[in-house]
Amino acid sequence: GAVVSQHPSRVICKSGTSVKIECRSLDFQATTMFWYRQFPKKSLMLMATSNEGSKATYEQGVEKDKFLINHASLTLSTLTVTSAHPEDSSFYICSARNLAGVPETQYFGPGTRLLVL
Amino acid sequence: EDKVVQSPLSLVVHEGDTVTLNCSYEVTNFRSLLWYKQEKKAPTFLFMLTSSGIEKKSGRLSSILDKKELSSILNITATQTGDSAIYLCAVEPGGGADGLTFGKGTHLIIQP
Repeated sequence: GAVVSQHPSRVICKSGTSVKIECRSLDFQATTMFWYRQFPKKSLMLMATSNEGSKATYEQGVEKDKFLINHASLTLSTLTVTSAHPEDSSFYICSARNLAGVPETQYFGPGTRLLVL
Repeated sequence: EDKVVQSPLSLVVHEGDTVTLNCSYEVTNFRSLLWYKQEKKAPTFLFMLTSSGIEKKSGRLSSILDKKELSSILNITATQTGDSAIYLCAVEPGGGADGLTFGKGTHLIIQP
């Protein structure tokens, strides 16, 4: 397996503020990381693919100016929810692909619960 | 558009029972099918299936892929209350540079 961490695990913020979530691959390098969102009682939905050293690729319906992704190194991707609103409250989960892992697949971080008041 | 359908959406059984969870998929370019268990936090990896007909096994859990039928099943034998969770099926497209498409999950409840 592989270890992926996320920080913070939980955040509560006021409407209009920006929130940054970090995703780190702890024991491997990841050229590609993925950001998912999960609303209560719903499944995970892919938001965007984060590529080290280049622009992220966003899924249809996900606003790139609202969800800023930065993948500055091979072990860190950040998701910034800008001007957060209550409807952005969700569980945000990142995953990273370990090309040397067994199996070679995506490994998920523990997730970040965002509550926007 | 890739699609994953799981059934049943929810299932309540008694401890000791055996359960079979189903997953069917439509994907343009298939690389693998994955099963995850989700309790209160992020999904934990169970199985990755790439080849048809080869059973993967881990303790009381097992899974198999049928690429002809575009489906997979996850079996849990001698269920325990700790098996209560949402079981997610996902498909990974070819190339490895794309994210997973998840099904809605099966909410499994094991009653003592």
